[in-house]
Amino acid sequence: ETGVTQTPRHLVMGMTNKKSLKCEQHLGHNAMYWYKQSAKKPLELMFVYSLEERVENNSVPSRFSPECPNSSHLFLHLHTLQPEDSALYLCASSQVNGMNTEAFFGQGTRLTVV
Amino acid sequence: EDQVTQSPEALRLQEGESSSLNCSYTVSGLRGLFWYRQDPGKGPEFLFTLYSAGEEKEKERLKATLTKKESFLHITAPKPEDSATYLCAVQAWRTQGGSEKLVFGKGTKLTVNP
Repeated sequence: ETGVTQTPRHLVMGMTNKKSLKCEQHLGHNAMYWYKQSAKKPLELMFVYSLEERVENNSVPSRFSPECPNSSHLFLHLHTLQPEDSALYLCASSQVNGMNTEAFFGQGTRLTVV
Repeated sequence: EDQVTQSPEALRLQEGESSSLNCSYTVSGLRGLFWYRQDPGKGPEFLFTLYSAGEEKEKERLKATLTKKESFLHITAPKPEDSATYLCAVQAWRTQGGSEKLVFGKGTKLTVNP
C-alpha cells in the first residue's frame, strides 16, 4: 500500500451536489493536512489536524467541511461548491514533534465543479 | 508572515546542461526547508529536507544547499526524465497553538530536452 492514498482521483460535480473526498495514510503519522492547488498559485493550506484535533483553518469557506475520525483517515466534505473551487485537492501527513518533519502527499483529487 | 519565492518560474535545458533553481525565503524561525518534485496531475514527491545553513544533500543528479536566506537545487547533467515542477517549502518552529504547516513557493517548471 502506498503511503498516502486519496480517493477518488477525479470528481466532477454540480454546484448543488454533496460529495466527499477521502484520504488514508499508512505511515503512522499523527498529523494530516488538506491543501488546494490551483493553476499559477502556490499550494494553499486549508486545514490541519494534529493528533486528531483541528489546529488550523485558513479562512476556508464553510462549503468545505473537514472530518478526521482517527489519525489515519481524513475527509473533506463538499457542498454547494462554486466553479472557482475547481482545483487539485491534496492530502498530506507528517509526524508532529518528530525528528523528521517532512510531509508526504497523496496523488490528489482533481475536482471540477460545473 | 512566512514567504517563499522561487526563480525562475520556468527553465528549459538541453540534456546534460547543468543549472540551478533558486528558493528565497523569509521565516520567523526556520525549522526546515523542503524540496519536492511534482509531475503533472500528481501529488508532490518528497526530495530533501535541510535544517541549517551550510547543510547539503544529494540524490542522483540533484543537490540541495541552504543558506540563511535561500536554498539552491543544483541539477547536474539533467536527463529528460528530470522534467517536472520543483517546489520549495519552509516550516517554521511551531508557536503555541500553531501547527507544523508548510508554506510553499509557486515552483519552477523544468523542461529537459533530449
